[in-house]
Amino acid sequence: EVQLVESGGGLVQPGGSLRLSCAASGFTFSSYSMNWVRQAPGQGLEWVSYISSSGSSTIYYADSVKGRFTISRDNAKNSLYLQMNSLRVEDTAVYYCARDRYGDYAVDIWGQGTMVTVSS
Amino acid sequence: QPVLAQSSSASASLGSSVKLTCTLSSGHNSYIIAWHQQQPGKAPRYLMKLEDSGTYDKGSGVPDRFSGSRSGADRHLTISNLQFEDEAVYYCETWNSDTHRVFGGGTKLTVL
Repeated sequence: EVQLVESGGGLVQPGGSLRLSCAASGFTFSSYSMNWVRQAPGQGLEWVSYISSSGSSTIYYADSVKGRFTISRDNAKNSLYLQMNSLRVEDTAVYYCARDRYGDYAVDIWGQGTMVTVSS
Repeated sequence: QPVLAQSSSASASLGSSVKLTCTLSSGHNSYIIAWHQQQPGKAPRYLMKLEDSGTYDKGSGVPDRFSGSRSGADRHLTISNLQFEDEAVYYCETWNSDTHRVFGGGTKLTVL
């Protein structure tokens, strides 16, 4: 079964840091590009970051997180990461790990999400 | 970079059909999109990729009741024989070289 399982969410103070992880299983992780997508409480989906299958060739960030968040992956461990620094109250959201279609754009697999709350 | 516009809400009766629309901003008529469904309290689920030609490629397990189409800048998701479990928020998604990935604001579908 194809599965993405996020972890690492929690409560953090403004200005703090958090590292999210996403464990992939059921498919050849190293062959797929990956994304982080977030959803603030009661709001719609917001794309956060993209990393290509190799991890080194192509990385993109939404303007709202550029310079503060870093996406990375370890294909040997079938894992995706999001290092979040200088967190703001407006970063409060459920963070989803999301796989792109093979060789293509468009998310085709979503994780169950992990909640990040930034509050003093 | 394209912007995706979706109506905030829609409603239709049990057993009927409904057509949801995602409209691409001016100058982006040829963009490919994807549709996702988010049922209350759940993670989103991929429904289909809708090509510029109007053909679509559905995800695994997506019922035949779901189909896609296009007309100009509009991209449609049609759900026939509506069921109560179709009550959800439906998002469209596209991608480009500038902002890379964009989601529409979502349409909340109520099944009456």
